[in-house]
Amino acid sequence: RKEVEQDPGPFNVPEGATVAFNCTYSNSASQSFFWYRQDCRKEPKLLMSVYSSGNEDGRFTAQLNRASQYISLLIRDSKLSDSATYLCVVNEGTGRRALTFGSGTRLQVQP
Amino acid sequence: GAVVSQHPSRVICKSGTSVKIECRSLDFQATTMFWYRQFPKQSLMLMATSNEGSKATYEQGVEKDKFLINHASLTLSTLTVTSAHPEDSSFYICSARGSGTPSTDTQYFGPGTRLTVL
Repeated sequence: RKEVEQDPGPFNVPEGATVAFNCTYSNSASQSFFWYRQDCRKEPKLLMSVYSSGNEDGRFTAQLNRASQYISLLIRDSKLSDSATYLCVVNEGTGRRALTFGSGTRLQVQP
Repeated sequence: GAVVSQHPSRVICKSGTSVKIECRSLDFQATTMFWYRQFPKQSLMLMATSNEGSKATYEQGVEKDKFLINHASLTLSTLTVTSAHPEDSSFYICSARGSGTPSTDTQYFGPGTRLTVL
């Protein structure tokens, strides 16, 4: 079983649509959670951290459910520029503080 | 702040040669650097973690004699792929964490190095 699982997609949505991604993680001791965005052949860039109480940044809302060990990302009013791969990332809280990446969910926003 | 650079951005080499990739933190002191590898359509996989002045800690399945990591200063880590083979062709990305950044817990990624071994 993968440590961080995501639906690979692709999700093809029209501009202006609302789209949601989910992610599950296997290590219940995981301590911190993030969504990263990765454009084709580029490095991942931090989109937002995910907090237990849920958090919002403009059109993006992230939620964490520790009991069910899943994380979600909601994008409202999709823009063409939102087209990318969204990576669910977990810090498992080991001493070395490394990140475990999901394989990503591909989003394609169409005009 | 918190800019990480990598050099080279792209390298093509013959099978059997060694390739060195540099990762630099430009405006902060990177106490910890991480090296990841990403094959096409797959997730980033951690290869090793290095702390300045210490030996790197390698992930299971990563050969330390093949992937030599040096983190001799607070701003520079190098990854040397020794005797590279076509199966080593991949996207190698470093990240760094340390003091003087907006968030000391956040990893800041370099732009990656695309290695192609012929």
